[in-house]
Amino acid sequence: EDQVTQSPEALRLQEGESSSLNCSYTVSGLRGLFWYRQDPGKGPEFLFTLYSAGEEKEKERLKATLTKKESFLHITAPKPEDSATYLCAVQGLSRSNYKLTFGKGTLLTVNP
Amino acid sequence: EADIYQTPRYLVIGTGKKITLECSQTMGHDKMYWYQQDPGMELHLIHYSYGVNSTEKGDLSSESTVSRIRTEHFPLTLESARPSHTSQYLCASSEFGAGDEQYFGPGTRLTVT
Repeated sequence: EDQVTQSPEALRLQEGESSSLNCSYTVSGLRGLFWYRQDPGKGPEFLFTLYSAGEEKEKERLKATLTKKESFLHITAPKPEDSATYLCAVQGLSRSNYKLTFGKGTLLTVNP
Repeated sequence: EADIYQTPRYLVIGTGKKITLECSQTMGHDKMYWYQQDPGMELHLIHYSYGVNSTEKGDLSSESTVSRIRTEHFPLTLESARPSHTSQYLCASSEFGAGDEQYFGPGTRLTVT
């Protein structure tokens, strides 16, 4: 069974203080790893897809990296508007190719 | 930005009522999904569809039902709402054969009293 564990559960940063969020996963063959951002009361917003170990993707202050067992979402010089819950999800080869397994997310708060 | 819509955004309803949550997308995506999410918890897949007239149950057991008569429309129905159905319901879609990125609607917050 595919599993995703995100840490920390919550992270509070000062504006400009860079940090990383962790997503550890267990799958029998990774088809893809996805990062989403979710604001309170809204649906998740797609950020990145990573397919293989060593892959990196960037978008503004965010950079996602992938190893064989975990992914990191690096946030460089965060701003208050980066405050949100960040969700990680995996799609394993052993399951039907449409299904995503989500973690519980990391609640990021960036103080001005 | 994804064009996927859900109505209503918020619904408070009494026990025993029949409700339908609407989901529509204008992207022409073949695959559509319904997830349930409780505060601080993971999203759990409750229904999915590969295309018109194709629906399957997801991982989380649900008393709801779905239909897919048109590509763009994927409504979810509860025949008799109960307090245990209180949750956030999220609809998503993805393009068949692409990177499987799922695009989500804004969600419906359902409260059954």
